[in-house]
Amino acid sequence: NAGVTQTPKFRILKIGQSMTLQCTQDMNHNYMYWYRQDPGMGLKLIYYSVGAGITDKGEVPNGYNVSRSTTEDFPLRLELAAPSQTSVYFCASRRRDRGTRHGYTFGSGTRLTVV
Amino acid sequence: ELKVEQNPLFLSMQEGKNYTIYCNYSTTSDRLYWYRQDPGKSLESLFVLLSNGAVKQEGRLMASLDTKARLSTLHITAAVHDLSATYFCAVDSPASNDYKLSFGAGTTVTVRA
Repeated sequence: NAGVTQTPKFRILKIGQSMTLQCTQDMNHNYMYWYRQDPGMGLKLIYYSVGAGITDKGEVPNGYNVSRSTTEDFPLRLELAAPSQTSVYFCASRRRDRGTRHGYTFGSGTRLTVV
Repeated sequence: ELKVEQNPLFLSMQEGKNYTIYCNYSTTSDRLYWYRQDPGKSLESLFVLLSNGAVKQEGRLMASLDTKARLSTLHITAAVHDLSATYFCAVDSPASNDYKLSFGAGTTVTVRA
């Protein structure tokens, strides 16, 4: 199993550009999440999805959009990139019942710099 | 809003000695997670604690949960260099149609000889 796969791993954007961070999971998990991690901080929730066609905002959704057309994919779109969006982005997924051993599975992250 | 506080934020450990990281959270939760993160890497799940009094151990790490005190501890026994990393606790709390996973700021551990 590949688990949660994120692409790209690194990206530099210019202010005002747009991009899509890709996230795919092959565990048939219903629930998927996007977090951002700023230096020296914990993770903050951007958006989440409880199933295909259903998305909802987290703590810090401004400047981002998501879609969930399939169970496997949960892309995160940045429109009009700003320096404040420089961060490491993690995608995560989990089973409906959260499980008892690991709970959430995280991808390897996308390190984004906006200059 | 659920707040999760870890302390200390930085911990310099001497090899062979024992240390504890504390995780306090502000509202009722039904489970607590501990994660490890190496520099530039993703989060690795260490423990999932499901109930009051839960204790889990893996190698030199032992985690416990006191839901009444809203406190979890991560105890490190006889620290070794391989344990250098950042450790996060995270707490699940019910949200509108899901659970919300809220993270502490992390404890950066450095183990020195």
